[in-house]
Amino acid sequence: RKEVEQDPGPFNVPEGATVAFNCTYSNSASQSFFWYRQDCRKEPKLLMSVYSSGNEDGRFTAQLNRASQYISLLIRDSKLSDSATYLCAVRKYGNKLVFGAGTILRVKS
Amino acid sequence: EAGVAQSPRYKIIEKRQSVAFWCNPISGHATLYWYQQILGQGPKLLIQFQNNGVVDDSQLPKDRFSAERLKGVDSTLKIQPAKLEDSAVYLCASSSNTGTGRTYEQYFGPGTRLTVT
Repeated sequence: RKEVEQDPGPFNVPEGATVAFNCTYSNSASQSFFWYRQDCRKEPKLLMSVYSSGNEDGRFTAQLNRASQYISLLIRDSKLSDSATYLCAVRKYGNKLVFGAGTILRVKS
Repeated sequence: EAGVAQSPRYKIIEKRQSVAFWCNPISGHATLYWYQQILGQGPKLLIQFQNNGVVDDSQLPKDRFSAERLKGVDSTLKIQPAKLEDSAVYLCASSSNTGTGRTYEQYFGPGTRLTVT
């Protein structure tokens, strides 16, 4: 089993829709979690950090479920510009990040 | 604040040739990371430096890959000799790691796209 798993998608949603992705992790001792956004042929950009139960930033909400070992990312009122690959990362000892393969989101007009 | 700088942005070489990538982290960031991202996959950590010392190089193919961060600032990653399967984007990231919480957040440079033919 991979340490971090994501549904690759693609998720095709209309503008204005609400969409949610899940990311499961195998190490129950993991403490910190991150969502990165990666546009085509660009570097990953930090979107949100999750250190406790969750985090919210505008249209974006991340929630952590420790019992089931997953984190979710909810995007409300989707915009065309939200189209990207969303990478989940889990922090291990020594600040090592383990990434999932990413979930592709396509927002269409 | 300037971000992580990397060069070159693109490189095409033939197999068995050598190549080197350069990274300059965000000013003041003590920790520097090199990742390899193969198409369709997430970034995979190759090596992590804390100042000029290696913290983790467990996933670095040491028979062909080497990296150094001699003065604790910028870093070079080298591949010699390159193989076809080394075709990937090589990403450099940095973090400050001065305490807890947000100081562990990693910020990425634009990457070097390597094609081995």
